Amino acid sequence: DAKTTQPPSMDCAEGRAANLPCNHSTISGNEYVYWYRQIHSQGPQYIIHGLKNNETNEMASLIITEDRKSSTLILPHATLRDTAVYYCIPPSVTDRGSTLGRLYFGRGTQLTVWP
Amino acid sequence: EAQVTQNPRYLITVTGKKLTVTCSQNMNHEYMSWYRQDPGLGLRQIYYSMNVEVTDKGDVPEGYKVSRKEKRNFPLILESPSPNQTSLYFCASSLSGTGNTIYFGEGSWLTVV
Repeated sequence: DAKTTQPPSMDCAEGRAANLPCNHSTISGNEYVYWYRQIHSQGPQYIIHGLKNNETNEMASLIITEDRKSSTLILPHATLRDTAVYYCIPPSVTDRGSTLGRLYFGRGTQLTVWP
Repeated sequence: EAQVTQNPRYLITVTGKKLTVTCSQNMNHEYMSWYRQDPGLGLRQIYYSMNVEVTDKGDVPEGYKVSRKEKRNFPLILESPSPNQTSLYFCASSLSGTGNTIYFGEGSWLTVV
């Protein structure tokens, strides 16, 4: 199963870009990388996902390295409401390519945006 | 509105008194799962279900049971709760397996005294 490594905490000034790294060196070729965030004790919320190419949506951008061993989530203009724990997650995939149900969240990165 | 609904949201119970936390989704998702979250330990998976009548253990299944008799519901059962099961619990669902976007419920705070 692919596991991830994220820094435990980061901070960022309001209005500046927040760049959150994730190492997923054991990811398989057909595994997507998903990012979620959890604000305080609410249920985690989907942000973005990608396979090989960089992705952008209304919430964030995702940059995936060419070797797919790491990715960076970018919040281009962080606000105080972006303070949350951010999780980088690849799903579990069997050798035969079918997805398993096991999911490892880890402890994520606590992002604190300060005024 | 697409959602995952958990009940109860808050519960204080006593050791040994059986309880069930219900989870329901209205998105016709095949995959459902339960997690617990404890300070310093992050989210840990308890059980998951790939489809009706198909369930399997996650990382911390001890002391819990689940059932999946119909697609929309995935209750979490604590047959004999103990204080170490005091935690914040989340139910989640996705279209089919973990390779799809996962939707989470709002969480259930459970305290066992």
